[in-house]
Amino acid sequence: DSGVTQTPKHLITATGQRVTLRCSPRSGDLSVYWYQQSLDQGLQFLIQYYNGEERAKGNILERFSAQQFPDLHSELNLSSLELGDSALYFCASSRNYRGPGYTFGSGTRLTVV
Amino acid sequence: GNSVTQMEGPVTLSEEAFLTINCTYTATGYPSLFWYVQYPGEGLQLLLKATKADDKGSNKGFEATYRKETTSFHLEKGSVQVSDSAVYFCALSDQGGADGLTFGKGTHLIIQP
Repeated sequence: DSGVTQTPKHLITATGQRVTLRCSPRSGDLSVYWYQQSLDQGLQFLIQYYNGEERAKGNILERFSAQQFPDLHSELNLSSLELGDSALYFCASSRNYRGPGYTFGSGTRLTVV
Repeated sequence: GNSVTQMEGPVTLSEEAFLTINCTYTATGYPSLFWYVQYPGEGLQLLLKATKADDKGSNKGFEATYRKETTSFHLEKGSVQVSDSAVYFCALSDQGGADGLTFGKGTHLIIQP
């Protein structure tokens, strides 16, 4: 157990729908990162939050959004889902905003049908 | 922009064989370099890292040396075990991880007894 908790582990939904993925960071970690892992694009950085504020943005689509709450858990919202959004979504956390070596959760597998 | 190139595999070796997984990178500035490992059904785990040229990262018998002149960070292990079977990702960050990691496509390693 890495200490980073992601729920749900699996999610199946239809095109056009909206889903929310949840991440609880490791105790004491203030920074949360979201990554998407797909067969064609590989692992891509989506967005980072630090202590409730957006810190950095990567290849995140406009249909996707995220937030980090006062208790430091984070949610990734995916809307108007398309088949191509099917992927593994990972959350990672670190002690501060400078990352590296951060801890990954086991991911949420999203299947859009 | 930043990029990481690594052999995709699968790479199949016999137990106790010598392992090399090549990784080269393109980056602005002076990036930090990482190797992550992903076991089936799990998130990514940091295997080793190097933050400046000529640094050698090592962990669990794996080693990689940051070679600025060849922009490489090849992963090596002298004698692999069946338990080393996993997907290995080379990654870099050029802001200490603050703007997320850029990953290679991953190398699937299969060790046969």
